[in-house]
Amino acid sequence: AQTVTQSQPEMSVQEAETVTLSCTYDTSENNYYLFWYKQPPSRQMILVIRQEAYKQQNATENRFSVNFQKAAKSFSLKISDSQLGDTAMYFCALRYNAGNMLTFGGGTRLMVKP
Amino acid sequence: GAGVSQSPSNKVTEKGKDVELRCDPISGHTALYWYRQSLGQGLEFLIYFQGNSAPDKSGLPSDRFSAERTGGSVSTLTIQRTQQEDSAVYLCASSLASSSGGGTDTQYFGPGTRLTVL
Repeated sequence: AQTVTQSQPEMSVQEAETVTLSCTYDTSENNYYLFWYKQPPSRQMILVIRQEAYKQQNATENRFSVNFQKAAKSFSLKISDSQLGDTAMYFCALRYNAGNMLTFGGGTRLMVKP
Repeated sequence: GAGVSQSPSNKVTEKGKDVELRCDPISGHTALYWYRQSLGQGLEFLIYFQGNSAPDKSGLPSDRFSAERTGGSVSTLTIQRTQQEDSAVYLCASSLASSSGGGTDTQYFGPGTRLTVL
C-alpha cells in the first residue's frame, strides 16, 4: 500500500514571497505519477501540477514548480510570487502508472497575507 | 467544454434515510471516480468506473454504499440507512481513460456534495 504524508498542516506567506509545501510518500512501485491539487473554499479540487516519476526534470507551471527527489521519495511544491488567490488547501497525491485511484496526503492549508 | 458537475451541492438528511448523489462527468471521459472527504479520514477513494468494465469497489466503506453509472456517463452514489459518520463532502472526478496504456490520466474534480446526517 502507498502512503502520502504532508507534514505541514498550516502555512502562511506574505504576498509576493515564495513558499514551499512539503510532501513525502512511500511506495514499492517504480512507475507512478505525483500531483499537487489546490482546493479553495469553493471545494473544487484544481490540478496545480503533475510529475511523472520516470522523468528526472522537475515540472514547472508558471509560478508553480516542484522539487522531485525520487530516491528520497519527496515531492515538494514551490509557489513563487505568492498571490492572495493562492490561499487554499493544497493536497499532494500519488497514482500508480497502471492504477486507478489517487492516494492523497492530509493537506496543507496555505494562507497568503496581504 | 463544461467541467464535472455534481448535485445537489448540499444535502441534509436524517439518520436512517437513503440519499442519492449525482455526478455528471466531462463529456468524453470514460473513467469516473468517487472520493469522500471527511475531517477525520481526509480524502478517501470510494469507487472507480472505467468504460464497460466492472467497477472497482474496493474503497466502499460498507454495503450501505453503492454506485452505478448509466450509459457510461452519469453516475449516482447511493447511501442507504445513512449514519452520522457518513457526513462528509463527496467528490466526483473523471478522466479521459485508464492509465494502463500509459499517460498521466489526470483526474478532474467536481465541486462536491456536502452531506450532513443529523
